[in-house]
Amino acid sequence: GAVVSQHPSWVICKSGTSVKIECRSLDFQATTMFWYRQFPKQSLMLMATSNEGSKATYEQGVEKDKFLINHASLTLSTLTVTSAHPEDSSFYICSARLRGLANSYEQFFGPGTRLTVL
Amino acid sequence: AQSVAQPEDQVNVAEGNPLTVKCTYSVSGNPYLFWYVQYPNRGLQFLLKYITGDNLVKGSYGFEAEFNKSQTSFHLKKPSALVSDSALYFCAVSLTSGTYKYIFGTGTRLKVLA
Repeated sequence: GAVVSQHPSWVICKSGTSVKIECRSLDFQATTMFWYRQFPKQSLMLMATSNEGSKATYEQGVEKDKFLINHASLTLSTLTVTSAHPEDSSFYICSARLRGLANSYEQFFGPGTRLTVL
Repeated sequence: AQSVAQPEDQVNVAEGNPLTVKCTYSVSGNPYLFWYVQYPNRGLQFLLKYITGDNLVKGSYGFEAEFNKSQTSFHLKKPSALVSDSALYFCAVSLTSGTYKYIFGTGTRLKVLA
């Protein structure tokens, strides 16, 4: 099946530093990657949609200068949390859609990255 | 507005009993529906999907779901619950145009009691 990985699986950083999270599609090329944020005991909140070679589309209320998304290739998207603060602590999950499959509406999810900002 | 509702925050069921986790949706067009399960500190695991065809969809780990167009529902079911089924379950609808975003329900925590 389609496998999506994330790295790191968890990260602890100091307030004010930047953290980069990678999302890779391991055995397929991804047309689109999505970045979600999940607070404890809550549902997933879509942060942005990322297409290879173009700028990410951010959801309303998500600061694009705070959460930088780069989709440099068909298998890699990165989320950089810039100048992280404790309120950015959360579980970040990415997902990917397959390229080349007509009407492929299914997303394949990564295992998530737990970010803790001290 | 398009939305997905999971009316129960938590469902408790005894081990061996049948379980149902409810999902209703409000979207335009024909919906593509999904169920996912999430264990603590893990990503989402795919259970099953409805795209077209038979209204009863069979998925992973013995789960199934019934698509009911008239009631706009897609309830998740399992004939005999296991303690290991205890987890957080999400229903999602995929938009079929534009960005192909998912609309997620709020999640239902399933607790299977031994």
